[in-house]
Amino acid sequence: QSVLTQPPSVSGAPGQRVTISCSGSTTNIGAGYDVHWYLHLPGTAPKLLIFGNHIRPSGVPDRFSGSKSGSSASLAITGLLAEDEADYYCQSYDSSLSGAVFGGGTRLTVL
Amino acid sequence: QLQLQESGPGLVKPSETLSLTCSVSGDSISNTNFLWGWIRQPPGKGLEWIGNIYSGGSTYYNPSLKSRLGIALDTSKNHFSLKLSSVSAADTAVYYCARVGRGSITIIQGVRTEENYFNFWGQGALITVSS
Repeated sequence: QSVLTQPPSVSGAPGQRVTISCSGSTTNIGAGYDVHWYLHLPGTAPKLLIFGNHIRPSGVPDRFSGSKSGSSASLAITGLLAEDEADYYCQSYDSSLSGAVFGGGTRLTVL
Repeated sequence: QLQLQESGPGLVKPSETLSLTCSVSGDSISNTNFLWGWIRQPPGKGLEWIGNIYSGGSTYYNPSLKSRLGIALDTSKNHFSLKLSSVSAADTAVYYCARVGRGSITIIQGVRTEENYFNFWGQGALITVSS
């Protein structure tokens, strides 16, 4: 049972827009802590997509965007490409656990 | 170009100590702009933060692992290590090392927290605990 809650799966057709939600509580996202997002292709190194709720590291396409409101955050992907098919994880800080916490991950399928 | 590479035994017997090393190239583990950390992913499950270490040696551990865990730096070899004692099958996982970005400072109810994120990861090493 992950501290942050993500939908197990989402899907979309090429070119479409999808969003992945990340729901937390008053000890993490709702307390005001930042949310970060990662892309993970099984068998490879996870990659940072978004940090500080909405900041894209150099090299990450602007098709990826992050937002946060209250105790939840979202990752939006526009102009879906087949190469976007992967697992996506959110991460924040939890004050009751005094450390980083992750969501359970969302598998994105490009139809 | 930054590279992180985990190395370890692959198979560890129950009750023994798991030891992993993360070799870093393309950056110095003495760089004060970053921390260094470990994350794991049990088979079929999500990611779990294990712990971080500052360039000065201060460590921060997942409370659920703290009593069994040690993370250390070796600046002469530019690598950092993880030791997890008294392992069981529940410790079977892919173990990742990562460079940790130092994010914003948040002060909530008087408690100051540096919000960290994992800005570069290694490929991961599968560690199986089995007799």
